[in-house]
Amino acid sequence: DGGITQSPKYLFRKEGQNVTLSCEQNLNHDAMYWYRQDPGQGLRLIYYSQIVNDFQKGDIAEGYSVSREKKESFPLTVTSAQKNPTAFYLCASRKSTGKEGYTFGSGTRLTVV
Amino acid sequence: GQNIDQPTEMTATEGAIVQINCTYQTSGFNGLFWYQQHAGEAPTFLSYNVLDGLEEKGRFSSFLSRSKGYSYLLLKELQMKDSASYLCAVFLSGGYQKVTFGTGTKLQVIP
Repeated sequence: DGGITQSPKYLFRKEGQNVTLSCEQNLNHDAMYWYRQDPGQGLRLIYYSQIVNDFQKGDIAEGYSVSREKKESFPLTVTSAQKNPTAFYLCASRKSTGKEGYTFGSGTRLTVV
Repeated sequence: GQNIDQPTEMTATEGAIVQINCTYQTSGFNGLFWYQQHAGEAPTFLSYNVLDGLEEKGRFSSFLSRSKGYSYLLLKELQMKDSASYLCAVFLSGGYQKVTFGTGTKLQVIP
């Protein structure tokens, strides 16, 4: 079955370290997205990509970086410049056309220790 | 900027009907999504409205009025498993496909 996989499910990071969250999809979707979810704040867009080798900053891109070298993969790096990285991170993908909504991964919960 | 408003919390009784409202003011509009999210899990797609009117899908219906910047999600015959957060999200127009989310409505279904 096609789907979108995020790993790891839980991640602990020491202050000052960079960490990379994985997101892989086999749905043949063109567009991929990274969201951050904090309690009471809903989902906020970090980065998004419509095609390979192209991505755009979302509303809260500072302290994050992404790459889109393959259609299936859209990893997110949380850098030491991100001041408050503890959050639930969701990756999503979508076909470029049609009425289909996002397909979300199961999420990665990042905690800074 | 983009603004999407939903009630923070709602409580309803098992077997009843509940309506969750969403109002939006966005720079551009292509359509409106509703998602369901259980605690600690990823959101799951419920509906997508592009045109005005009501779309029904089983126990769930979604309504859109573009002129009023207003949508609602209607849940009938509530079940305990419907206890979750319901997210309203607007698909913005423009060159890049971007969706902006409301903060969500936490629905508690009680016996």
